[in-house]
Amino acid sequence: DVKVTQSSRYLVKRTGEKVFLECVQDMDHENMFWYRQDPGLGLRLIYFSYDVKMKEKGDIPEGYSVSREKKERFSLILESASTNQTSMYLCASSPTPGTRSIEQYFGPGTRLTVT
Amino acid sequence: AQSVSQHNHHVILSEAASLELGCNYSYGGTVNLFWYVQYPGQHLQLLLKYFSGDPLVKGIKGFEAEFIKSKFSFNLRKPSVQWSDTAEYFCAVKRSSGTYKYIFGTGTRLKVLA
Repeated sequence: DVKVTQSSRYLVKRTGEKVFLECVQDMDHENMFWYRQDPGLGLRLIYFSYDVKMKEKGDIPEGYSVSREKKERFSLILESASTNQTSMYLCASSPTPGTRSIEQYFGPGTRLTVT
Repeated sequence: AQSVSQHNHHVILSEAASLELGCNYSYGGTVNLFWYVQYPGQHLQLLLKYFSGDPLVKGIKGFEAEFIKSKFSFNLRKPSVQWSDTAEYFCAVKRSSGTYKYIFGTGTRLKVLA
């Protein structure tokens, strides 16, 4: 079974702090994604990565950055946390298109509260 | 821009009632389609997916979905819901080529009354 793990289930940070959210997958997937999930808004893509050191902006990248130094690990960074970044953050991974199994596999999520 | 619409935001049903959740997408090319479910306190997991072939797709826990290309729809159905189906359901679309991105709908919260 694919396993996607996230470093924390719950996190409370203060406004202005630098925040790191870590995600690790164990299935050698090429693609990794960071979403935020807010009630009534569904999942919105922040950033994704299709290879080590490669990244692309999603729909709401402002205020975030990412890092992918190793294939299995994808980090989301909030450079200076703000209260409007209070949300549930979901990490996902998927294999390269061209295989039949291209659905995304999700981690349990990190509920971040910025006070 | 590509988008996914889930018209039902909240649905309340009694046990044994039939379920149909709507999903429409805006992209005109070849797509892959997915339904995910998120049970309370759990992570998102795949219910079913459509790649090609038979437009009627069967998934886990008795769910099925029908891809109607002419209507750009991929509605989720279950003939008889159970209390344990209480969850949030998300439809997602991915273009078959040229992108790594998946577009999600805003979700439908289903509550099944025992």
